[in-house]
Formats: sequence, C-alpha cells, structure tokens
Amino acid sequence: DQQVKQNSPSLSVQEGRISILNCDYTNSMFDYFLWYKKYPAEGPTFLISISSIKDKNEDGRFTVFLNKSAKHLSLHIVPSQPGDSAVYFCAASDDSGSRLTFGEGTQLTVNP
Amino acid sequence: DAMVIQNPRYQVTQFGKPVTLSCSQTLNHNVMYWYQQKSSQAPKLLFHYYDKDFNNEADTPDNFQSRRPNTSFCFLDIRSPGLGDAAMYLCATSRDRAGRLFGYTFGSGTRLTVV
Repeated sequence: DQQVKQNSPSLSVQEGRISILNCDYTNSMFDYFLWYKKYPAEGPTFLISISSIKDKNEDGRFTVFLNKSAKHLSLHIVPSQPGDSAVYFCAASDDSGSRLTFGEGTQLTVNP
Repeated sequence: DAMVIQNPRYQVTQFGKPVTLSCSQTLNHNVMYWYQQKSSQAPKLLFHYYDKDFNNEADTPDNFQSRRPNTSFCFLDIRSPGLGDAAMYLCATSRDRAGRLFGYTFGSGTRLTVV
C-alpha cells in the first residue's frame, strides 16, 4: 500500500507564477514531512520539512503547508523560476525509526 | 566537500550474475540507507544500517543483501539479478534520527541494467 501519494505526475507553470505541489498520506502516525528536489542524473536533495505540530513552514520562496485533518500537505514555490524545474518528492516519517517513506514524485516544469 | 558517492553511476549486469553496488560517505553519518527506485515510482527502502545494526524491510527480497564494513562504506549485493531488478539504486545517509527533520543526504545513484 502506498502510504504517501503524489497524484499529479507533472505540473507546468509560467515563470514568476506560483507552483503548488500536492501530497496526501494515509498513515496517521507520520509526524515529520519533507520535500526533496531531484534533477536528472543527480540524487534527491533536501528542500524543506515540517513537523506535525505546525501547519506552515517557510524558507525563502518555498512554503510547506500541512493539513493534518485532511492528511494533506502542499509545497508552494513563489515566484517560480526555470531553475526550479525538477522532480519533487514528498516524504514522511513516524516515530518508530529513522526511515522515510516517499511519494512517486511530481515533475515540475517552469516555462520562461 | 562532504558528500555521498556511489560507484559506478551505471552498471550493466547479466541475468543471474551477482553484482555489487558501492556507496561511500565523508559525512561521518552513522545511518546509511539503500533505496530502490523504478521508473516513475516512489523510492522504496530496501534496508538501512543504524551504526552496525542492520535493519531489513519486511518486503525486501532475499536476493538483496548489504554489508557495512565501516562507517564510511556500505555495499548492496544482488545475488542473482533478475530483469525486474533493473532500477536506480540510491544510497543515503543521516545522523541518528535527524534525517526525519533535516533530511537525508543522497548520492547520485547507480542505474542498474540487467541483460
């Protein structure tokens, strides 16, 4: 069973506009959520995280929102830049260990 | 720069011929992970080492094994690769359970092709 799901395989936005990437989870024991960015031929790189005790975390152009009741989180990128074009993975962990469970990823394309 | 290095970047192996993928790190992180990622799928955790303690995921096939001779190195052994084992293999590290909040550091991956 896929405990972390990213239902949109791809997203295309114009430069300067907002990109919103979505992620849903089913395991109510998850208490930390992370976003990773992956360029072709490179490993994923950590972008931003949020604890389940918060509903928002911001870092520059990147903001992650968490809606625990809906088991949903989203990553907002404002303003989007062509260099943001990459695959974005959502990941989550629970208190049982250090492992992360990943979603399938969303390919973001930012058009100039 | 401190980093996680995976060798080789591309590996072609014959069906049924044992193959070993390697990962090294200069971060001195005590936790090392191996993930398998097939095309357009989520990276799937195969196993991880917490210090010297090996933690296997329940659904990891017996065909996959791992060794960690020291803090810096970790190996993924596939005893008899099948066509279904063709994938990107990602090595990652973290310090204790800090990876839950601060993320793992990933290598660039090894793409395995089975012919």
